[in-house]
Amino acid sequence: QVQLQESGPGLVKPSQTLSLTCTVSGGSISSGSYYWSWIRQPAGKGLEWIGRFYTSGGTNYSPSLKSRVTISVDTSKNQFSLNLTSVTAADTAVYYCARMIAARSDYFDSWGQGTLVTVSS
Amino acid sequence: QSVLTQPPSVSGAPGQRVTISCTGSSSNIGAGYDVHWYQQVPGTAPKLLIYDNNNRPSGVPDRFSGSKSGTSASLAITGLQAEDEADYYCQSFDSSLSTWVFGGGTKLTVL
Repeated sequence: QVQLQESGPGLVKPSQTLSLTCTVSGGSISSGSYYWSWIRQPAGKGLEWIGRFYTSGGTNYSPSLKSRVTISVDTSKNQFSLNLTSVTAADTAVYYCARMIAARSDYFDSWGQGTLVTVSS
Repeated sequence: QSVLTQPPSVSGAPGQRVTISCTGSSSNIGAGYDVHWYQQVPGTAPKLLIYDNNNRPSGVPDRFSGSKSGTSASLAITGLQAEDEADYYCQSFDSSLSTWVFGGGTKLTVL
């Protein structure tokens, strides 16, 4: 059974870059059957998809965040990472990494526990 | 404001049946994209509950069921139990926004 675990700083200063890593265990991130995504959830609010990568090397990003987001992968460590630049208080949220299943409307079948990132000086 | 609209809250007594609606538009649910449902107990990560409109992952009780019609979908929970108290989210794809979208979430209270 695949497991995902987020890691990274819990506090980021405004205008700086938020960087998180997701470590995958119990399955290879290089499997062609899945996509790997980041999703966030501000306190007391709903879920927002940020972006994903797939093993052929492609990435998709939310249009609203595309100019600030980069998702990269380190297959040797079975990890993928999120970089979000020029952060503001509005980027404060719990960030989840998740495995995405390809379907007519792709969905998320496995999630990390989430990590809270606060943007504050 | 979410692309998929859910009621903020629903409630029911133990043993009762409740439904949660998810209303979309012609660029998401109405365009034929499937709907998926997640259960989130406060303080924990979302858990996949229903995929492809009406399919349950292994381990999800058959008390949970989903349906889809037109531009809307619904999640039904029968035989309500205290452990069902959680937030529920629907999810689909929106072709106009070119992004995967979630509903705003519905808080289920078991009275």
